[in-house]
Amino acid sequence: EVQLVDSGGGLVKPGGSLRLSCAGSGFTFYSVGMNWVRQAPGKGLEWVSSISSASSYIYYADSLEGRFTISRDNAKNSLYLQMNSLRAEDTAVYYCARSAPGSNRIDYWGQGTLVTVSS
Amino acid sequence: DIQMTQSPSTLSASVGDRVTITCRASQSVSSWLAWYQQKPGKAPNLLIYKASTLETGVPSRFSGSGSGTEFTLTISSLQPDDFATYYCQQYNTYPLTFGGGTKVEIK
Repeated sequence: EVQLVDSGGGLVKPGGSLRLSCAGSGFTFYSVGMNWVRQAPGKGLEWVSSISSASSYIYYADSLEGRFTISRDNAKNSLYLQMNSLRAEDTAVYYCARSAPGSNRIDYWGQGTLVTVSS
Repeated sequence: DIQMTQSPSTLSASVGDRVTITCRASQSVSSWLAWYQQKPGKAPNLLIYKASTLETGVPSRFSGSGSGTEFTLTISSLQPDDFATYYCQQYNTYPLTFGGGTKVEIK
């Protein structure tokens, strides 16, 4: 069974940093792309970033303005999102999500971790 | 960036109704379109990919159609478990983009 467990969310002050983690199990983690998608309170889904299986290709939403960095450690079956210079508008539930093998489509999602940026 | 526009944003329907949600892309995404269902406080769940392919385990009352820039999600006979918010998403090119969502409410 595919499982994605997100962690690392919490309350952070504007300008602060946070690192999210996602642990994958039940599939060959090193063979698939991974993604982060966020959802602000009461709003829709917003794609944040994607990384290919071997980290060769990385994509970011323009709205992030270079503040976030996605990475992965295939030896640990883990995905990360380093978030710097956080703003109030980054407040959201952040979901780790798997790309289907050989595709860009997202087929499995983690449970989400809440990031709140507030003073 | 490819903009995805869903309509309607809210839909009121009764159990047993046939429901159709539309998704339009600002440029062609071929058939690289997915539909997700999301219930409050939960992660989204993949229903359909490649515009019309039903994900394993998804009830057959869900169907998708379209290609290029116009897509539809149809629920043939709405069930109590189907009251949720539905999102389309194109995965033809980066950045991946989602529609704004359609909330299906009880009439």
